[in-house]
Amino acid sequence: ETGVTQSPTHLIKTRGQQVTLRCSSQSGHNTVSWYQQALGQGPQFIFQYYREEENGRGNFPPRFSGLQFPNYSSELNVNALELDDSALYLCASSSRGEAFFGQGTRLTVV
Amino acid sequence: GENVEQHPSTLSVQEGDSAVIKCTYSDSASNYFPWYKQELGKRPQLIIDIRSNVGEKKDQRIAVTLNKTAKHFSLHITETQPEDSAVYFCAAGSNYKLTFGKGTLLTVNP
Repeated sequence: ETGVTQSPTHLIKTRGQQVTLRCSSQSGHNTVSWYQQALGQGPQFIFQYYREEENGRGNFPPRFSGLQFPNYSSELNVNALELDDSALYLCASSSRGEAFFGQGTRLTVV
Repeated sequence: GENVEQHPSTLSVQEGDSAVIKCTYSDSASNYFPWYKQELGKRPQLIIDIRSNVGEKKDQRIAVTLNKTAKHFSLHITETQPEDSAVYFCAAGSNYKLTFGKGTLLTVNP
């Protein structure tokens, strides 16, 4: 186990709704990155948070937003859900160059 | 931005044989090259990584090589076992912001 936990593990939402996914990073890791993994694809970088500030963003629209808290846990928020947002959402916490993934949240948009 | 190409997309070997997966990257600023193993329905697990100041790294049956000039890196698994069967992803990046390849489905036949 990596010590990175995500909740919930599975979620079903309706198109147009909003969703919040949560990640508790491994103790001592102050950097959290979020990835989207569509079925049969590699993870795609959404954004990264370092000490509560966004520190880089991938090619995702503004309806994907996030937060990092003082304890380094993090949230991913997605507004106006679309069918193509259905994917496994992974967070990774990092220290000394190694990124460890949580088990992911499987989001299904219907 | 970074672009990572991974080959082959599928690889089938006999137990005991070696397996090699190759990746190329485009951004010379990338300095961190991890490899992840992902079993069906599970999180990506870091199996080995290499930094741009090192040409080769080995951990038991797994080795990774990096050619910075040619911008390619490879994963070598020797004495493959059925439990090595999984999808393997290469990634390239810096400051923990990773771009992943599309993955290689490795099947080790008993």
